[in-house]
Parts: sequence; C-alpha cells; structure tokens
Amino acid sequence: QKEVEQNSGPLSVPEGAIASLNCTYSDRGSQSFFWYRQYSGKSPELIMFIYSNGDKEDGRFTAQLNKASQYVSLLIRDSQPSDSATYLCAVRKGSNFGNEKLTFGTGTRLTIIP
Amino acid sequence: KAGVTQTPRYLIKTRGQQVTLSCSPISGHRSVSWYQQTPGQGLQFLFEYFSETQRNKGNFPGRFSGRQFSNSRSEMNVSTLELGDSALYLCASSPWTGSNYGYTFGSGTRLTVV
Repeated sequence: QKEVEQNSGPLSVPEGAIASLNCTYSDRGSQSFFWYRQYSGKSPELIMFIYSNGDKEDGRFTAQLNKASQYVSLLIRDSQPSDSATYLCAVRKGSNFGNEKLTFGTGTRLTIIP
Repeated sequence: KAGVTQTPRYLIKTRGQQVTLSCSPISGHRSVSWYQQTPGQGLQFLFEYFSETQRNKGNFPGRFSGRQFSNSRSEMNVSTLELGDSALYLCASSPWTGSNYGYTFGSGTRLTVV
C-alpha cells in the first residue's frame, strides 16, 4: 500500500463548477497535510496546509481533513481554466527527528473545460 | 525576496559519470530537502538537511549523497550515473525542519543521462 494515494485522473470539470480532489494516507499517526499545485514544466507550489480535523478555507480553496478516515481533500470553487494543473497531496508524519519529511502522492491531473 | 535557486537548470551526462547539483535556499531558511521527480514515480524523497545535519534519507542507493553548508546552501551528488537517474531534481527549503509552512521548491535541475 502506498503511503499517500491519489487518483491520477485526468479529472475534467466545467468552468465555474466545483473541483474535488481526494487523497488517502496509510499512516494513522500522520500530523500535517499539504496541497501543492504543479503546472506543466514548473515546480510545485504550496496552496494550503491543514493539520486539524475539519475544513480550512482560503479564497476559492477549501481543504478538508478527516483523520479517522485517513482522508484529505481539496475543493476548488468557481473553477477557472488557470486551475488546470496537477495537484499533489503531501503528508508529514510528525515533527520529531526522522519524521519531518513530506511524502507526496503521484498527483491528480485536473483540467478545467471552458 | 529571492526564491530557492538551483543550478544548473539542465545537465546532460554520460553513464558512469558523476554530477553535483547545487541549491541555495530562501534567505533565513535552514532546512533543505531534495526530491527526484519522474513521470512514473512522481516526487520521491532523497534527503533532508537542517543545520548541516542529515535529518531524513529516502530509499535511494548510496550513489546519491548530499551535504549542507553552514550558510544553508546544499549540494547533492550522484556518482556512477545510470540511465534511470534521468529525472528532474527538485530542491525545497523551509524555515526549519517539520515546519507547518511546508516547502518552497526551486525550479529544478533537469538531468539527462545518455
């Protein structure tokens, strides 16, 4: 079982709709969760991080965390063509020695259809 | 504020050679991590350094090594290059290890082994 799993897509969403991206992780003790966006040919850029159960909103983006289900998601409201990219989920087990690294999923490719 | 700087941007090497990649983190950032990105495997963790100490190491052979200097700049070295080492090598920095602010990535070094 992979440590961090994402549906590779592609996920196609009409412009203006809500895009929902999902991620599951295997280590129940994981503490911090990150969403990165990567445009083709570019490096990943951080969108949001979350470490408490529930929702965290930032503009059109909402991250949702459910530690009991070992599930984290990213919702993008009012999707724009500029949101077309690969979205990477990353998980950190903890902040003590040896656990600080970020483990990434393989990413979900999102395409917003005008 | 300058971002994470990686040099060189592109490299072409022959099998059996060795290569050194350089990363200068954001000013004030003391943690530097290295990742290998390939289309099939996604982002694979190589190692993380903080205050010149290796904090974490991924599952890569001993041909892959790294170090961090007192000014937080980091280098990674790959010896006896193989064709499979062709990839995008990404460096990322953060203020300290285990930071909830995640990483800021550099633009990467594209290594091609022929």
